[in-house]
Amino acid sequence: EAQVTQNPRYLITVTGKKLTVTCSQNMNHEYMSWYRQDPGLGLRQIYYSMNVEVTDKGDVPEGYKVSRKEKRNFPLILESPSPNQTSLYFCASSSGVNTEAFFGQGTRLTVV
Amino acid sequence: AQKITQTQPGMFVQEKEAVTLDCTYDTSDQSYGLFWYKQPSSGEMIFLIYQGSYDEQNATEGRYSLNFQKARKSANLVISASQLGDSAMYFCAMREGFSGGYQKVTFGIGTKLQVIP
Repeated sequence: EAQVTQNPRYLITVTGKKLTVTCSQNMNHEYMSWYRQDPGLGLRQIYYSMNVEVTDKGDVPEGYKVSRKEKRNFPLILESPSPNQTSLYFCASSSGVNTEAFFGQGTRLTVV
Repeated sequence: AQKITQTQPGMFVQEKEAVTLDCTYDTSDQSYGLFWYKQPSSGEMIFLIYQGSYDEQNATEGRYSLNFQKARKSANLVISASQLGDSAMYFCAMREGFSGGYQKVTFGIGTKLQVIP
């Protein structure tokens, strides 16, 4: 089954404790993105990747890092999480610029 | 300026009626794509329909159609024959940067649609 898998689905952590949210897709898609969703703000792009080793900043990259060492994986790293990074995070992948994005199920992160 | 504007925070529609969800966009790119996604209360993001900037015909997918007016920079979603299962949050999104080799995506803040029996 074609899918984008994020882990974990829910995470509560403390300020400053490094964490990684994993994202994996099994569709051989070149394009992958991370978004955060906050009430009243819609989804905002954090980082995106056009292919292996090619990443670029979206609209809200501060406080996040990503890597794309393999085509299927695109982890999101929070080196020192802060409470303002409490949000719902989505990973998405697509095969081309004019094709739909397949979204993961989301990761609800709470930073206390 | 907002890149994607959805001016209707909430909408009600009677079951079996049609409804139009508004979306206007702002870009200087000549090549871009417009998308609509549905997010039910369960939280997943579901792709509905896509319109490319060079597509001359309005996109249609089953009960969904996209009313694309390029000169007015609008990409409204029309849902015909509304069903109770259409109650959800709807997001308009734009992908830019095709010719520049990058891929920025901007979402609107969404419209919450409620279908009344």
